[in-house]
Amino acid sequence: AQSVAQPEDQVNVAEGNPLTVKCTYSVSGNPYLFWYVQYPNRGLQFLLKYITGDNLVKGSYGFEAEFNKSQTSFHLKKPSALVSDSALYFCAVREYSGNTPLVFGKGTRLSVIA
Amino acid sequence: GAGVSQSPSNKVTEKGKDVELRCDPISGHTALYWYRQSLGQGLEFLIYFQGNSAPDKSGLPSDRFSAERTGGSVSTLTIQRTQQEDSAVYLCASSLGTGPNQPQHFGDGTRLSIL
Repeated sequence: AQSVAQPEDQVNVAEGNPLTVKCTYSVSGNPYLFWYVQYPNRGLQFLLKYITGDNLVKGSYGFEAEFNKSQTSFHLKKPSALVSDSALYFCAVREYSGNTPLVFGKGTRLSVIA
Repeated sequence: GAGVSQSPSNKVTEKGKDVELRCDPISGHTALYWYRQSLGQGLEFLIYFQGNSAPDKSGLPSDRFSAERTGGSVSTLTIQRTQQEDSAVYLCASSLGTGPNQPQHFGDGTRLSIL
């Protein structure tokens, strides 16, 4: 069975500093990995995905994520955080084959402090 | 439409009543998904549709929950005899297909409160 772990409920970072939101996954085959962001009272917005190829994936709003197969991780990163990045971030995984549903982590709340 | 539209945005109802939640996906998206988001619980998969058929109903929490999709477009999620534990945000998403690399596009959800 697929699963996703986001080990941090909350991440605090100062504006202008780099940020990392952690995600590890478990699948039986090759993974498709996604990051979504949720602002208050809104649905989830797609940020980026890893399918195959380069381990470093670039997405919306300056975010990027690094796929590490040996560590089964897909951490979300940004070189310089903005106050407007404050939101709830979800990592999700899907197996490479089959019509399995997306499995989401429990989310990490990011607070960027001015 | 420009995005996934869900209605109502908020619903407050008494325990035991039936509720119907609506989702209007992005035009041309053949796949449609329902999720439930409870505080501190992340997103729980409920059901998905490919066209009008639902190949996977495994996530529906009880037989009080049902969903249908007509015309390959609008979907409704119905909860009968609501219970307080049904209180949550119900999110709908659509994608161009069910291929595993397709990102899902979410609506803003329906916030359901059972009194």
